[in-house]
Amino acid sequence: QSALTQPASVSGSPGQSITISCTGTSSDVGSYNLVSWYQQHPGKAPKLMIYEVSKRPSGVSNRFSGSKSGNTASLTISGLQAEDEADYYCCSYAGTRGVFGGGTKLTVL
Amino acid sequence: QVQLVQSGAEVKKPGASVKVSCKASGYTFTSYGISWVRQAPGQGLEWMGWISAYNGNTNYAQKLQGRVTMTTDTSTSTAYMELRSLRSDDTAVYYCARDRGTYCGGDCYPWGQGTLVTVSS
Repeated sequence: QSALTQPASVSGSPGQSITISCTGTSSDVGSYNLVSWYQQHPGKAPKLMIYEVSKRPSGVSNRFSGSKSGNTASLTISGLQAEDEADYYCCSYAGTRGVFGGGTKLTVL
Repeated sequence: QVQLVQSGAEVKKPGASVKVSCKASGYTFTSYGISWVRQAPGQGLEWMGWISAYNGNTNYAQKLQGRVTMTTDTSTSTAYMELRSLRSDDTAVYYCARDRGTYCGGDCYPWGQGTLVTVSS
């Protein structure tokens, strides 16, 4: 049972936009609109940033947005800020289990 | 506010068991479930399983079946995760998170602060 596939790292300059992909299969990402994204700073617990593919919890900046096409979900961060530098994980419901991506380290140059 | 507070760090020998607690506050405990997620040092997140605080139904990750038991105590709004026959590769930070039953694919929120479990002889 494999994890979802994310790029190991992405980078961008302040003010730019970046997109992180999360590729699964027809058994998880492709079958359910239950994909979430979590931000994790070093030594901290994960924080929910996007849920149900594209919904933003209260308090999360509208610079964060999510989408899905087929078996691939994406997280876009616009207007990059220094505090966005963190690890990002996607997670998908897969019927009988949850499955996380391997994580993507975002570096703000 | 909605909050999950976990028990403190543990050091265990290989073959032993560990039980981590997760005390909820700020919401109706039985209206949600709890997912457990672990993170080995320098590694990514791994979903371990979920328990309904309403009726105690559980769903465990296949690789942990037979070694993990998740329970709840509704009188104290506390969830527990017990892992048996510990191995060195069980060394990780263990998190609990409130979960409607979507196994963190929907929304795991909030998360506990994490409990470091170290397995070492």
